[in-house]
Amino acid sequence: AQTVTQSQPEMSVQEAETVTLSCTYDTSENNYYLFWYKQPPSRQMILVIRQEAYKQQNATENRFSVNFQKAAKSFSLKISDSQLGDTAMYFCAFMKQEGGSEKLVFGKGTKLTVNP
Amino acid sequence: EPEVTQTPSHQVTQMGQEVILRCVPISNHLYFYWYRQILGQKVEFLVSFYNNEISEKSEIFDDQFSVERPDGSNFTLKIRSTKLEDSAMYFCASLKGQKTSIEAFFGQGTRLTVV
Repeated sequence: AQTVTQSQPEMSVQEAETVTLSCTYDTSENNYYLFWYKQPPSRQMILVIRQEAYKQQNATENRFSVNFQKAAKSFSLKISDSQLGDTAMYFCAFMKQEGGSEKLVFGKGTKLTVNP
Repeated sequence: EPEVTQTPSHQVTQMGQEVILRCVPISNHLYFYWYRQILGQKVEFLVSFYNNEISEKSEIFDDQFSVERPDGSNFTLKIRSTKLEDSAMYFCASLKGQKTSIEAFFGQGTRLTVV
């Protein structure tokens, strides 16, 4: 079974600064996908960024980028130029590439607060 | 932009009562899911549904839970006899299929409160 670990229950950052959220995972699969989801106070789950394990290049989406280290099974999220609207819970998630129901396995989340 | 819609947004029910949570997935998606999030905790997988049947379910999804997609559009989660510990946020999600798109779209959630 796959597990996802987020070791930082809470983090804070000053507006306009950069912050990195950590995520590690455990799997015996070779092909899979990794995701970061944002959950603002509204509780909606919003996809921030995704990474295919077969791609060596780290994914980027505007101010959001990941550091994917497949051998270390690490998938951290970097938020640059933090904005007040980035305040939310952030969940790291794993999905097998094939052969299953393609469910998401989530970590426990990191509560990020961006301070003015 | 297409979206997953869930109703109701908030449901309060008495312990022991049956409750049905409703979801309308994105129309051309093939995989449907229910997840649960107890307040302040992680999002947990309950069940996945593909080709009109359950493809996988978790240990949480016991005999008190059932899902169906009766009319090809609505996807429902039924809890037959609710317990206090069923109080949580329930999210429906749909996915087109990995050969096409790996992004799972989530509804806004239904907050279930069992009293």
